Amino acid sequence: DQQVKQNSPSLSVQEGRISILNCDYTNSMFDYFLWYKKYPAEGPTFLISISSIKDKNEDGRFTVFLNKSAKHLSLHIVPSQPGDSAVYFCAASDGGYNKLIFGAGTRLAVHP
Amino acid sequence: GAVVSQHPSWVICKSGTSVKIECRSLDFQATTMFWYRQFPKQSLMLMATSNEGSKATYEQGVEKDKFLINHASLTLSTLTVTSAHPEDSSFYICSARDPGQGKDTQYFGPGTRLTVL
Repeated sequence: DQQVKQNSPSLSVQEGRISILNCDYTNSMFDYFLWYKKYPAEGPTFLISISSIKDKNEDGRFTVFLNKSAKHLSLHIVPSQPGDSAVYFCAASDGGYNKLIFGAGTRLAVHP
Repeated sequence: GAVVSQHPSWVICKSGTSVKIECRSLDFQATTMFWYRQFPKQSLMLMATSNEGSKATYEQGVEKDKFLINHASLTLSTLTVTSAHPEDSSFYICSARDPGQGKDTQYFGPGTRLTVL
């Protein structure tokens, strides 16, 4: 039973354009959401997070949007750069046990 | 952000031997650390939650006698894969929660590639 879903296994975007990565969840108890970026053979790097009391959080080129009614969040990267090419994982927490539940990941390729 | 290190970064061992992987939080104290496993092209699977000074909490399906976790100090947790077999070959990643940062934000180590021959 996948509680966090990233339905797009891959995304290709032109350099300078916007990248939009999507994530859906099923557990209404989740109250904290995070995005991580991962290169092969490395640990994930924390990018940005959002609490369920907010619907948007911005940090430089990265913006996360949360739609609680739809149980959907998205990560926007503007402008996309070749160095953004990596696998992006969405994660959620219900706060109670501090565990993070990860999605399957979306591989982003930013091309010239 | 907070820094988490892992050692070794890769290890090759013979079947039947035990392997210890260390996870350290370098610039903060972590009362809670987590151990994950990642198979090729798959997501991170949480194996266990390591709490300083107490027993680890294992996820369903993870053998606690095979994957021994010790969280002896606020900056160090170890994962020992006992009597390793080829099916234990995987990428093991630890993470630590920095109480001074976002509520449930975890910071990850660089991972350890284990290959069992």
